[in-house]
Amino acid sequence: EAGVTQSPTHLIKTRGQQATLRCSPISGHTSVYWYQQALGLGLQFLLWYDEGEERNRGNFPPRFSGRQFPNYSSELNVNALELEDSALYLCASNLQGRNQPQHFGDGTRLSIL
Amino acid sequence: QKEVEQNSGPLSVPEGAIASLNCTYSDRGSQSFFWYRQYSGKSPELIMSIYSNGDKEDGRFTAQLNKASQYVSLLIRDSQPSDSATYLCAAINYQLIWGAGTKLIIKP
Repeated sequence: EAGVTQSPTHLIKTRGQQATLRCSPISGHTSVYWYQQALGLGLQFLLWYDEGEERNRGNFPPRFSGRQFPNYSSELNVNALELEDSALYLCASNLQGRNQPQHFGDGTRLSIL
Repeated sequence: QKEVEQNSGPLSVPEGAIASLNCTYSDRGSQSFFWYRQYSGKSPELIMSIYSNGDKEDGRFTAQLNKASQYVSLLIRDSQPSDSATYLCAAINYQLIWGAGTKLIIKP
């Protein structure tokens, strides 16, 4: 069974640009979660999508947005990039509604120059 | 506000000893509990799930849950240098709530 896949592995942008990160969940999983993890810090919850709908959002500005497609894959978009957006962005998936654990992809490392 | 609390460490344990990691949670409605291991620069990896009071063993790992005390622990027996990592505790009641993690260092 394929795990959660994320692309790209690394992304280098400059301030003010826009970034798009992609995630494919484990087959059969309907929920996708996005997290930001700055160097040396803990997981910060960004967004939760289930069945194409945004279910919850963390304490991040509106320039962080995303969507979930009919095949349950997801995109995270970050507009007007700032230096402090440099971090590891992690995507996770699970079977929603059954208190199941989340399974993570390898992440996208976003660097803002 | 729902919280999961862990001592940030670092917790230093000699090789071969038992490492004991602890976690408390505030939401009494939490249904399931998970321990993840995260190596530096890598993504979290699920190592244990526990759903009912008591102990659950898997190889060198034992998870312990006490819902009355709202307490979850992870024991690692015969600790190895490869166990050095940050261990994240998480509790779920509709949505997963994460602890900040405990950094574990196994000294050879």
